[in-house]
Amino acid sequence: AQKVTQAQTEISVVEKEDVTLDCVYETRDTTYYLFWYKQPPSGELVFLIRRNSFDEQNEISGRYSWNFQKSTSSFNFTITASQVVDSAVYFCALSEAGGNNRLAFGKGNQVVVIP
Amino acid sequence: GAGVSQSPRYKVAKRGQDVALRCDPISGHVSLFWYQQALGQGPEFLTYFQNEAQLDKSGLPSDRFFAERPEGSVSTLKIQRTQQEDSAVYLCASSLVGIPGELFFGEGSRLTVL
Repeated sequence: AQKVTQAQTEISVVEKEDVTLDCVYETRDTTYYLFWYKQPPSGELVFLIRRNSFDEQNEISGRYSWNFQKSTSSFNFTITASQVVDSAVYFCALSEAGGNNRLAFGKGNQVVVIP
Repeated sequence: GAGVSQSPRYKVAKRGQDVALRCDPISGHVSLFWYQQALGQGPEFLTYFQNEAQLDKSGLPSDRFFAERPEGSVSTLKIQRTQQEDSAVYLCASSLVGIPGELFFGEGSRLTVL
């Protein structure tokens, strides 16, 4: 069985502050993929990043960065210098190889950036 | 448009009515998924198509839920004899086969069952 835990429900930050979203996953597979998606108020989930289980390199894309640590089964997401447009729900998700690409999502983190 | 299109965006049904939700995926996308998202929760997998073949329907909560994609493009999710617990946003997503998890989602159909 696969499971994704996002412990924080709602996080409020003042604009320009950094915010880190925690994601812990469980899987018995050795090959799997981890994802982050953003869901703005419009409702449409937007793909942000994919990591496979063999690639533990951290990644930075603009103000976004991701820290993948297999030793702690975590895939955390940091938004640096947050902006009001970052206000959204962010979901971490897991897909096991051979699982027909089905994603198991966490409950999401509601991020509110206060101007 | 070029994205995934879903209709209707909002649907109110009386308990016991049948509903049909439509998804028009991105042209050329082989894979199509339906997810159910309850308020305040993450999306939950319902079913998966590759072209017209329904390869996985293990997430459908009951036999009242039925999905089809007869020509490998547009898909319809049908819910028979709706119940209040069916109230949720139903999300459709499509992707190119072979790229795990990089799904393109529609804005969803919000179903409210009274």
